[in-house]
Amino acid sequence: DTAVSQTPKYLVTQMGNDKSIKCEQNLGHDTMYWYKQDSKKFLKIMFSYNNKELIINETVPNRFSPKSPDKAHLNLHINSLELGDSAVYFCASTLTGKGVETQYFGPGTRLLVL
Amino acid sequence: DQQVKQNSPSLSVQEGRISILNCDYTNSMFDYFLWYKKYPAEGPTFLISISSIKDKNEDGRFTVFLNKSAKHLSLHIVPSQPGDSAVYFCAASSQGGSEKLVFGKGTKLTVNP
Repeated sequence: DTAVSQTPKYLVTQMGNDKSIKCEQNLGHDTMYWYKQDSKKFLKIMFSYNNKELIINETVPNRFSPKSPDKAHLNLHINSLELGDSAVYFCASTLTGKGVETQYFGPGTRLLVL
Repeated sequence: DQQVKQNSPSLSVQEGRISILNCDYTNSMFDYFLWYKKYPAEGPTFLISISSIKDKNEDGRFTVFLNKSAKHLSLHIVPSQPGDSAVYFCAASSQGGSEKLVFGKGTKLTVNP
């Protein structure tokens, strides 16, 4: 039973295409995140949703649009892919309001834009 | 601007010895610190954390030390085991929670048998 799962695990696509990455958590958490790990290995937050509402939106191009159909899912849609979008994207989740909160990460989606 | 810095990209240690991974931060608003461990092709997994009201937290072979005045924390693993070989990320947040984690670049630990 995978707690936080992402699909696909690998994604190779051409510049200019539109693609989506899906994330699901079965932990009963109420907050989900998308992180990007670039070629320099920095892991940076992109978005955070709490109970399907956007609460964190770092400086991310409009081409990236997260969608949360319910508390257990947070998908990431990317329009007009660019070479610089190549990275590993991690989904994470946590349960808020219980004091100190630990984020649980998915296995990552390796995106390569050619 | 790197608010969380892990200046050693890699560390190699002999099995059974102590591994010490270091992390520095610049934002004095950070009040909660975490260490995550990451194996290749997997997501980071939570290892241990410490609140700014403490200076030490221990969990089995893992101990995290926090020096607030120096804005420095370290993770000690003793004794080190080959299975500990992974990339270790230091992360920090403010307001006592992990709502927005700021990560360091990671340190790759190799424990040699």
